[in-house]
Amino acid sequence: EAGVVQSPRYKIIEKKQPVAFWCNPISGHNTLYWYRQNLGQGPELLIRYENEEAVDDSQLPKDRFSAERLKGVDSTLKIQPAELGDSAVYLCASSLDGWGNYGYTFGSGTRLTVV
Amino acid sequence: GQQVMQIPQYQHVQEGEDFTTYCNSSTTLSNIQWYKQRPGGHPVFLIQLVKSGEVKKQKRLTFQFGEAKKNSSLHITATQTTDVGTYFCAGNYGGSQGNLIFGKGTKLSVKP
Repeated sequence: EAGVVQSPRYKIIEKKQPVAFWCNPISGHNTLYWYRQNLGQGPELLIRYENEEAVDDSQLPKDRFSAERLKGVDSTLKIQPAELGDSAVYLCASSLDGWGNYGYTFGSGTRLTVV
Repeated sequence: GQQVMQIPQYQHVQEGEDFTTYCNSSTTLSNIQWYKQRPGGHPVFLIQLVKSGEVKKQKRLTFQFGEAKKNSSLHITATQTTDVGTYFCAGNYGGSQGNLIFGKGTKLSVKP
């Protein structure tokens, strides 16, 4: 079984430029999460999807961040424009149910560096 | 908002010594999960605890959930160099929120 696939693995951009991250969850996992992990910290939730519906985006900085999950499978997370403080690892995760009762499966993440 | 506190932040042990990390929430948890993140890697699910006072074991790892469902611990017996990484607890508060709130993690280093 393929795991959660994320791309790109690394991204370096200049501030004020746009950037996008892509995630393909485990087949059959209807719940998808985007987390941000700063160095030395735990992951922090940005947005949670149930199928194609964003059910919790309360922590998403909506002035510059956007996300979509068309058709309830793949998802993209976009930042426009990027700021220096956005440098972090962006993790995508999926779970079998909406409560994560069987654990979350994380992708390898995208390490973003904004210079 | 809800927070999960985890201590210690760092732990350095000699190989063969035991290791324990503690997790605490100010409010009752629906369940708690533990993850391990190797250096340069991503969090990997270890276990979920649901019941009050629950104890689960995985080889040298012992996980406990407090009676009040507000705290949890992970204990590793006789650490090995393969145990190196950061251990996160993640609390689920249930209700309409199925999201996990992660602690800041405990970074374990093991000296051979």
